[in-house]
Amino acid sequence: KNQVEQSPQSLIILEGKNCTLQCNYTVSPFSNLRWYKQDTGRGPVSLTIMTFSENTKSNGRYTATLDADTKQSSLHITASQLSDSASYICVVSTTTSGTYKYIFGTGTRLKVLA
Amino acid sequence: DGGITQSPKYLFRKEGQNVTLSCEQNLNHDAMYWYRQDPGQGLRLIYYSQIVNDFQKGDIAEGYSVSREKKESFPLTVTSAQKNPTAFYLCASSPRDSTIVTQHFGDGTRLSIL
Repeated sequence: KNQVEQSPQSLIILEGKNCTLQCNYTVSPFSNLRWYKQDTGRGPVSLTIMTFSENTKSNGRYTATLDADTKQSSLHITASQLSDSASYICVVSTTTSGTYKYIFGTGTRLKVLA
Repeated sequence: DGGITQSPKYLFRKEGQNVTLSCEQNLNHDAMYWYRQDPGQGLRLIYYSQIVNDFQKGDIAEGYSVSREKKESFPLTVTSAQKNPTAFYLCASSPRDSTIVTQHFGDGTRLSIL
């Protein structure tokens, strides 16, 4: 069964600290992996997208890694800010008969405290 | 600015009533999607459409209906047959299913039962 699991479920850190969010998947065949940020009451916004051949991608203070062998990805946030408080969602896409399907994780809820 | 507009932001449904959620995009995207988001669960696909006048059921289509008469519009009707409609509904679009295409999301409609 295609699944995407994220950990931790929630996380509280102090402003200025770094943190790493995890995403493990059992999706096959793998097409790409995306990380989204979702503020409360808003739609998700794309942070990064990585294909099979990419193992790291950065977007400002956000750095995503991908290990296609172990089927793991991480999102590292550097020097956290209060505005980083949000849910972070890992999404893995797969293809079936030429149609793409997106498998969503349940997200990690991050709270950054002053 | 290009984007996806969902309306209304909040919607209340009475017993036995059908309600329609609006989704409009000016990104000239071919593909559009409707997702349902419940607490503690990943986004689940209700319906998707890759071209005008064509749409496909997602994983949880029962109790919902859609139409795609125009490229920029993809309204979702929550029918009285959907017995548990309370959720956050997200509409998304993308140029076309592809390896590195990112979905763009609207800011959602929160539906509640009166």
